[in-house]
Amino acid sequence: QVQLVQSGAEVKKPGASVKVSCKASGYTFTSYYMHWVRQAPGQGLEWMGIINPSGGSTSYAQKFQGRVTMTRDTSTSTVYMELSSLRSEDTAVYYCARNSGSYLSWCDYWGQGTLVTVSS
Amino acid sequence: DIQMTQSPSTLSASVGDRVTITCRASQSISSWLAWYQQKPGKAPKLLIYKASSLESGVPSRFSGSGSGTEFTLTISSLQPDDFATYYCQQYNSYPSAFGQGTKVEIK
Repeated sequence: QVQLVQSGAEVKKPGASVKVSCKASGYTFTSYYMHWVRQAPGQGLEWMGIINPSGGSTSYAQKFQGRVTMTRDTSTSTVYMELSSLRSEDTAVYYCARNSGSYLSWCDYWGQGTLVTVSS
Repeated sequence: DIQMTQSPSTLSASVGDRVTITCRASQSISSWLAWYQQKPGKAPKLLIYKASSLESGVPSRFSGSGSGTEFTLTISSLQPDDFATYYCQQYNSYPSAFGQGTKVEIK
């Protein structure tokens, strides 16, 4: 069965960086793009970007351009999302979600989420 | 970028009620729309894709309709397990975008 298992909660100081991992299993890792979506406390879902695990190409939301980097390790079937220059507004639960099919598609499986808290 | 607007933001309803949530896109997205359900502390769960296709395992009381810029999610007879927040998402083009969510509360 498809599983996406994310790394544990993080507490970071303003200005620092955080790197969240998402380990995939139960399917061919390189055949499905992966989204990253975040949710601030009490707020809605915010799309951050997408990565192609096969070639490593990415597409980021303009809001995060220059601060976010999505990478992958095909040997461990893991994707990573690194966010730099953290500020308090980046406190949120970060989710990875598998793209169901072709490049433009919906999210069919989600990770459990990783809480990132930014606080001095 | 395409913006998604849901209405209402909050909806109070009783078990057995028929519930409709609307999602509007700022430009045409054909039928490239998904609906998700989210419960507190949990990841979103896919309900509907391609505007009207029911995800496997999702109860048939959920249905989706629409195309272009206006879409609806309907729950034909609200059940206790359905009290949650619902989001639409466009995937016609990147950046993808979600609606702001509709919380379905117990009346």
